[in-house]
Amino acid sequence: QVQLQESGPGLVRSSETLSLTCTISGGSINNNYWTWIRQSPGKGLEWIGTMYYGGSTSFSPSLKSRVTFSADSPKNELSLKLTSVTAADTAVYYCARLRWYSGRPNWLDPWGQGTLVTVSS
Amino acid sequence: SYVLTQPPSVSVAPGKTAKITCGGDNIGSESVHWYQQKPGQAPVLIIYFDTDRPAGIPERFSGSNSGNTATLTISRVEAGDEADYHCQVWDSGSEHVVFGGGTKLTVL
Repeated sequence: QVQLQESGPGLVRSSETLSLTCTISGGSINNNYWTWIRQSPGKGLEWIGTMYYGGSTSFSPSLKSRVTFSADSPKNELSLKLTSVTAADTAVYYCARLRWYSGRPNWLDPWGQGTLVTVSS
Repeated sequence: SYVLTQPPSVSVAPGKTAKITCGGDNIGSESVHWYQQKPGQAPVLIIYFDTDRPAGIPERFSGSNSGNTATLTISRVEAGDEADYHCQVWDSGSEHVVFGGGTKLTVL
């Protein structure tokens, strides 16, 4: 059973870079699509982007200029970097597997427990 | 880009039926997925492909999708069903994951 665990600094200073890791256990990073999602306090879910290990990526237009995804196959880890953060980037950040079926992406399962990142001024 | 619209809140008495809608342009032609999120927890998939339930999800949870509205129905509502519910689709046009704004279900 695949399990995901996000980790990273809980506090980031404004204008700096937010860096998070998602560790995958019980399954392989290969041949899967992985997605980052965030949720600002009291708000809904916001899709950040999706990556296929070793291949394509797709990003939210509102974040595309500041987001980078990477993957480390031997460590079975995903990474997210978000540059030039502001208070608006304060959120719980989740990683999740995007399941494919019938030749297209569909649902997200499982999700990590999420990690809260606060941007301080 | 594709927009999904959910009511911010729905209230229901215990034992009754709750219906949470997710509106979108011709959403009936899309596959809709639903997540339950309890306070302080990560979202959990409860319905995929409009109507299917993952293992372990009670039969009280069901889904439908037609026209411009997808609906999550929770029968015989329990206090433990109090949570936020989110709908989601994959927008093939933009190649983006799209979420609705989420609906807070309150059990009276």
